[in-house]
Amino acid sequence: GAVVSQHPSWVICKSGTSVKIECRSLDFQATTMFWYRQFPKQSLMLMATSNEGSKATYEQGVEKDKFLINHASLTLSTLTVTSAHPEDSSFYICSARGSSDYNEQFFGPGTRLTVL
Amino acid sequence: GQNIDQPTEMTATEGAIVQINCTYQTSGFNGLFWYQQHAGEAPTFLSYNVLDGLEEKGRFSSFLSRSKGYSYLLLKELQMKDSASYLCAATDSNYQLIWGAGTKLIIKP
Repeated sequence: GAVVSQHPSWVICKSGTSVKIECRSLDFQATTMFWYRQFPKQSLMLMATSNEGSKATYEQGVEKDKFLINHASLTLSTLTVTSAHPEDSSFYICSARGSSDYNEQFFGPGTRLTVL
Repeated sequence: GQNIDQPTEMTATEGAIVQINCTYQTSGFNGLFWYQQHAGEAPTFLSYNVLDGLEEKGRFSSFLSRSKGYSYLLLKELQMKDSASYLCAATDSNYQLIWGAGTKLIIKP
């Protein structure tokens, strides 16, 4: 089956630093990648959708200058949380979708970010 | 607006059957997914329905009625490891996933 990896799986950083999270599709080409955030006991919240080679489309309320997304290749997307603050602490999950007609998204294992 | 409704929490007994319902309202419709999510982990795919009817896959089955905007996930022979959140997500006309808040399923011995 399709495998999506994320790195790192967890990160603890000081307030004001920037954190980069990588999302890779290991055995398929991901034309579209999605970045989600999930706070405890809440559902997934879509942050942005990115297509390879083009700018990401951000959901309403998500600051594009704070959450930088780069989808430079068909197998890699990165999310950089710039100047992270404690309120950015969350579980960040990426998913990837190939070019099949059934639109299934394959999820990475998630990255737990804790900002002190 | 677009909306997905599912119960917040359900409790069932090991070995029993449970049905988790989901109703949806979306701009266009291109199928409905069910995902399982254990605490602290990412969601894993369970099922996809785009046509009306029941899809059976082992102990799990998923049903869709497009005319009613309704789906359910049926879990049989419940096991303790089935304790998790179950997320319903409908795909709209732009192939965007609209997520429900999830149903936390608690299995008791």
